[in-house]
Amino acid sequence: HLVQSGPEVKKPGTSVKVSCKASGYNFTGYYIHWVRQAPGQGPEWMGWINPNSGGTNYAQKFQGRVTMARDTSISTAYMELTRLTSDDTAVYYCARRAQYYDISLYGMDVWGQGTTVTVSS
Amino acid sequence: DIQMTQSPSSLSASVGDRVTITCRASQSISNYLNWYQQKPGKAPKLLIYAASSLQSGVPSRFSGSGSGTDFTLTISSLQPEDFATYYCQQSYITPETFGQGTKLEIK
Repeated sequence: HLVQSGPEVKKPGTSVKVSCKASGYNFTGYYIHWVRQAPGQGPEWMGWINPNSGGTNYAQKFQGRVTMARDTSISTAYMELTRLTSDDTAVYYCARRAQYYDISLYGMDVWGQGTTVTVSS
Repeated sequence: DIQMTQSPSSLSASVGDRVTITCRASQSISNYLNWYQQKPGKAPKLLIYAASSLQSGVPSRFSGSGSGTDFTLTISSLQPEDFATYYCQQSYITPETFGQGTKLEIK
């Protein structure tokens, strides 16, 4: 079970931080991926965090603007995106995946409910 | 980045029909291919991983096949709850990429 924080409305140029709280499984046993979906578009992968080590892998598109972090004491992952523009308006999802290396044959099997982020002046 | 191209983009079918959706990768991804179903306002749901492995709890009417660059998702007998949008996704090389989606509609 993954429960995300609530909707956000942000001004261009600001930042947003979305949380993703895990329950019902061993939080450090699965990577957490972040995927966003703009209105009417397909999903877009942003990156992952290994909750066990804190290691991350970001899509180059978001390098320098995204930070993924975790707090194992409360089984929560975070995704912060800075320098927001209207193109960042989307639903942001966290999802877990069984993974032991940089790539994995497994799919993302548990998803959060999504967090709507609206960027508007 | 690896481009994932799905066809068709949309499809009209009837309950009970057999439906096949194809996904082509711009380079070989071995069998690092997943299929998801998404309904409006909901998160994607994993159906198939590793190209042909059925995710736990997913009905057996869903099946996947392929390796390398060409993959298919087949629904053997459409049920009313299957009308949704389907996405393929490669997990072989980052950035992981999704297809543009196939919207399955009721005829």
